Amino acid sequence: EIVMTQSPATLSVSPGKRATLSCRASQSISSNLAWYQQKPGQAPRLLIYRASTRATGIPARFSGSGSGTEFTLTISSLQSEDFAVYYCQQYDKWPPITFGQGTRVEI
Amino acid sequence: EVQLVESGGGLVKPGGSLRLSCAASGFTFSNYNMNWVRQAPGKGLEWVSSIGTGSSFIYYADSVKGRFTISRDNAKNSVYLQMNSLRAEDTAVYYCTRDTAMIYWGQGALVTVSS
Repeated sequence: EIVMTQSPATLSVSPGKRATLSCRASQSISSNLAWYQQKPGQAPRLLIYRASTRATGIPARFSGSGSGTEFTLTISSLQSEDFAVYYCQQYDKWPPITFGQGTRVEI
Repeated sequence: EVQLVESGGGLVKPGGSLRLSCAASGFTFSNYNMNWVRQAPGKGLEWVSSIGTGSSFIYYADSVKGRFTISRDNAKNSVYLQMNSLRAEDTAVYYCTRDTAMIYWGQGALVTVSS
């Protein structure tokens, strides 16, 4: 099973600043990685797939990078609506599909 | 517009059973793999099960193998999760999702296992 490890667990950032979230896979997953945003009481929303491709309707301030075992989600200028929990997920070697434990982005 | 609508959640006693349904619309259901993902209260996301387009494959997480059964009915545009021998640790919101990069999610169905 591929273990996904996200860091940090909590990220405190001011509005307008840059946020950088990390995700590490326990073995190479090529670029088969997705990022999700989840707000309280809502289902997760796909932000990025194939490590760096923005999903439809996702603002350009969200960008993904990386391949192999190291991945990054960058939010270039945090807006108030971006404060949420972010999860990475691998879909390269499955089953099982595995998620990271999440990074909470807070003010 | 793509929609996934879960139903069938509720309160059940340990050892009991429940069947979740997910009704899909807005896309050609038979062309897509479908999944169930759950989230325990205050916890992260956990993949539960996946089923291929014509039930060509079926996979389960170890935590539910032997107790849960996924199925689909392409004529009814629906996917199901039969959950037997439920435990307290199965308490979660269960989401129906499409594809392995899960672009579409339902609103979730709450399953509570408690005596």
